[in-house]
Amino acid sequence: DIQMTQSPSSLSASVGDRVTITCRASQSITSYLNWYQQKPGKAPKLLIYAASTLQSGVPSRFSGSGFGTDFTLTISSLQPEDFATYFCQQSYRTPPTFGQGTKVEIK
Amino acid sequence: QVQLVESGGGVVQPGRSLRLSCAASGFSFSSYGMHWVRQAPGKGLEWVAVIWYDGSNKYFADSVKGRFTLSRDNSENTLYLQMDSLRAEDTAVYFCARALSVGDSGPFDYWGQGTLVTVSS
Repeated sequence: DIQMTQSPSSLSASVGDRVTITCRASQSITSYLNWYQQKPGKAPKLLIYAASTLQSGVPSRFSGSGFGTDFTLTISSLQPEDFATYFCQQSYRTPPTFGQGTKVEIK
Repeated sequence: QVQLVESGGGVVQPGRSLRLSCAASGFSFSSYGMHWVRQAPGKGLEWVAVIWYDGSNKYFADSVKGRFTLSRDNSENTLYLQMDSLRAEDTAVYFCARALSVGDSGPFDYWGQGTLVTVSS
């Protein structure tokens, strides 16, 4: 199985900050990388797929980049509703696998 | 609008069975592959299984292979997960999710609200 490793596991940030989360795959997954946001007690929400394509309805302050094994999710200006846990997921090969998550907390 | 509604969760003893359902609406159910993803309390996301749009292919995580079965009724827009020989480590919230594109591995563009399965004596 392809292992996905996110960093950091958690971070503290303030409203308006630029936040970057990284995700590394154990082998090349070309651009088959997706990002989800999850709030407590809720289902995950797809933010970005194919490494950099913004899902419909997702604010443009979210962006994704990367190819191969290294990927990033960037929030350009953190908003109060962005405090949540973020997961990356590879869809290159079955079984699909997720990173362990990055919890974004209020500083 | 797209809706996925899971049901069937509850408390069950180890070794027993449970069947989860996922009722779909707001889209052409028979055109999409469907997945189950679970999340143990306080933990990350773990993919469980996928069934193709027509039910012709199914794949399972190694952790549930041989114990879980997957089916769908496209006439009733419903997905099913039959869970047998349940173990304590199967305790989790189970989400059904729609596959955005053709393929076995996602991404998952719509999710249900989840149903909690607790395996405990």
